[in-house]
Amino acid sequence: GDSVTQMEGPVTLSEEAFLTINCTYTATGYPSLFWYVQYPGEGLQLLLKATKADDKGSNKGFEATYRKETTSFHLEKGSVQVSDSAVYFCALRAGKSTFGDGTTLTVKP
Amino acid sequence: KAGVTQTPRYLIKTRGQQVTLSCSPISGHRSVSWYQQTPGQGLQFLFEYFSETQRNKGNFPGRFSGRQFSNSRSEMNVSTLELGDSALYLCASSFESNYGYTFGSGTRLTVV
Repeated sequence: GDSVTQMEGPVTLSEEAFLTINCTYTATGYPSLFWYVQYPGEGLQLLLKATKADDKGSNKGFEATYRKETTSFHLEKGSVQVSDSAVYFCALRAGKSTFGDGTTLTVKP
Repeated sequence: KAGVTQTPRYLIKTRGQQVTLSCSPISGHRSVSWYQQTPGQGLQFLFEYFSETQRNKGNFPGRFSGRQFSNSRSEMNVSTLELGDSALYLCASSFESNYGYTFGSGTRLTVV
């Protein structure tokens, strides 16, 4: 079946550091790929998406590129802020969605 | 516009009882999915409904069931509750399958 493997956390960075959270997937067919974010005390929110190979999703300074050849969708941000502290989930959707286990990011001032 | 609304927010039930959770999707969204979120298992897919038909189903026992009404509102039912059913149950709607979800705030179910 489909699966999503995320980089294990927690990840702790200093403000303005570069962020990468790795995500690889296994799926039959051609799923859409997503990153969701859960800020402390809040619900899950869609952060960005990509629907086909080589698409780049971007939002709030975060980016991820759908790499079919490496079955990856790594999340990156050039300069993180304290307000980016949250749990990040990688997901694929081909009908139903399959989520990764989540990566907790803490950004320190 | 209004988001995904789940009711109730919190529930405490006794083992063996049954429970019904409700979800009102974003207007115009025809796909409604349900997830169980627990610290140990993460987000687990329960089922997806689209235009009143169950389109996909996860690996949960038959005690978990759902339905969708003609106005796209959805309900989820769990019968013969077990302690292990304690979790946050999330409803998510989307315009179509393969679109991103909008999640509700969830119903926190505690089984005692």
